[in-house]
Amino acid sequence: EAGVVQSPRYKIIEKKQPVAFWCNPISGHNTLYWYLQNLGQGPELLIRYENEEAVDDSQLPKDRFSAERLKGVDSTLKIQPAELGDSAVYLCASSLESVNEQFFGPGTRLTVL
Amino acid sequence: DAKTTQPNSMESNEEEPVHLPCNHSTISGTDYIHWYRQLPSQGPEYVIHGLTSNVNNRMASLAIAEDRKSSTLILHRATLRDAAVYYCILFAGGTSYGKLTFGQGTILTVHP
Repeated sequence: EAGVVQSPRYKIIEKKQPVAFWCNPISGHNTLYWYLQNLGQGPELLIRYENEEAVDDSQLPKDRFSAERLKGVDSTLKIQPAELGDSAVYLCASSLESVNEQFFGPGTRLTVL
Repeated sequence: DAKTTQPNSMESNEEEPVHLPCNHSTISGTDYIHWYRQLPSQGPEYVIHGLTSNVNNRMASLAIAEDRKSSTLILHRATLRDAAVYYCILFAGGTSYGKLTFGQGTILTVHP
């Protein structure tokens, strides 16, 4: 069974440029999560989707971050414009339902210069 | 969110048991205790979870104190592949369904 797929694995951009991350969850998983992980810290939830609906986006900085999950499957997380402090690993996870264990992808490591 | 407290780091020798402690004195009656681990350059991986009773699976055992204010993740025979950051997380069973709040975790080093 394929796991959570994320792309790209690495991205280097200059500040003020836009960037997008893509996530394909495990087939059949209704719940999708985006996390941000800074170096030496645990992951922090940015947004949680139940099918197409964002049910928890309270930690998403909405001035520059946006996310979508069209058709309740794949999801895209966008930053526009990127700032130096956005350098981090962006993790996508999915689960059958919110109460089940979460399966994480390998993450996208973003470096903003 | 209820908090957990874990040691910053622990060390073990290969093939020896490892007991990773976690304190969660403010746990509520509906909170589940989840453990995840993160190997270098990978996303976190689910290990085990429990509510009140001790739990066993192919990866580890979870021992939960009777008052539920602490728990211990037990790796019965550590291998080099068990070297990772281990996170103890209280998974809200009430209105905050689905939210994993990670702390800094315990860095486990396994010596050959």
